[in-house]
Amino acid sequence: GAVVSQHPSWVICKSGTSVKIECRSLDFQATTMFWYRQFPKQSLMLMATSNEGSKATYEQGVEKDKFLINHASLTLSTLTVTSAHPEDSSFYICSAHPGQGGTDTQYFGPGTRLTVL
Amino acid sequence: GENVEQHPSTLSVQEGDSAVIKCTYSDSASNYFPWYKQELGKRPQLIIDIRSNVGEKKDQRIAVTLNKTAKHFSLHITETQPEDSAVYFCAVPRRRSSYKLIFGSGTRLLVRP
Repeated sequence: GAVVSQHPSWVICKSGTSVKIECRSLDFQATTMFWYRQFPKQSLMLMATSNEGSKATYEQGVEKDKFLINHASLTLSTLTVTSAHPEDSSFYICSAHPGQGGTDTQYFGPGTRLTVL
Repeated sequence: GENVEQHPSTLSVQEGDSAVIKCTYSDSASNYFPWYKQELGKRPQLIIDIRSNVGEKKDQRIAVTLNKTAKHFSLHITETQPEDSAVYFCAVPRRRSSYKLIFGSGTRLLVRP
């Protein structure tokens, strides 16, 4: 149980285009999902918290208009990188949490490697 | 604000030896301490976690110890095997933010055959 999927697993796009990444909890309902970015040989940096049915909360320094997050259902959150630039190239990982009454454990997706040319 | 420091950044051990990774945190109210293993290009996977009401937890070759007074917790891997080679991250909850985690900087473990 507690499986989280991400799609796509990798994407290459041209500078200026937008890319959408999907995060799904396959066998549980996730009231909260998190989006992380990880640069090579670095730790996971939390970008934003996505709550079902409400606006995402962004960490300091993360542009909400550039990284659009939608959490329309209890099993799906999407991250759209708008007007992508080469410096946005990174490994994007989501995690899902069952919410109140569940454990403290976050379950991670397999990640999406974004390369912006 | 909250802070978590992880040491060492790299660790090389001979197969069969033990490995210990330590994390120090700043928020005395922290009550949940997970450890994640991440292989190259893969997702972080929870390998063990501990809550603040116990001082030690063990799962086969892996154990975590917690010292609440000193505000540090450690990951212990015994009888290391080459497949233990990976990057290990500790994490602590962010104060007043439900379920958010702050991750340590990571430890790259290499187990030499």
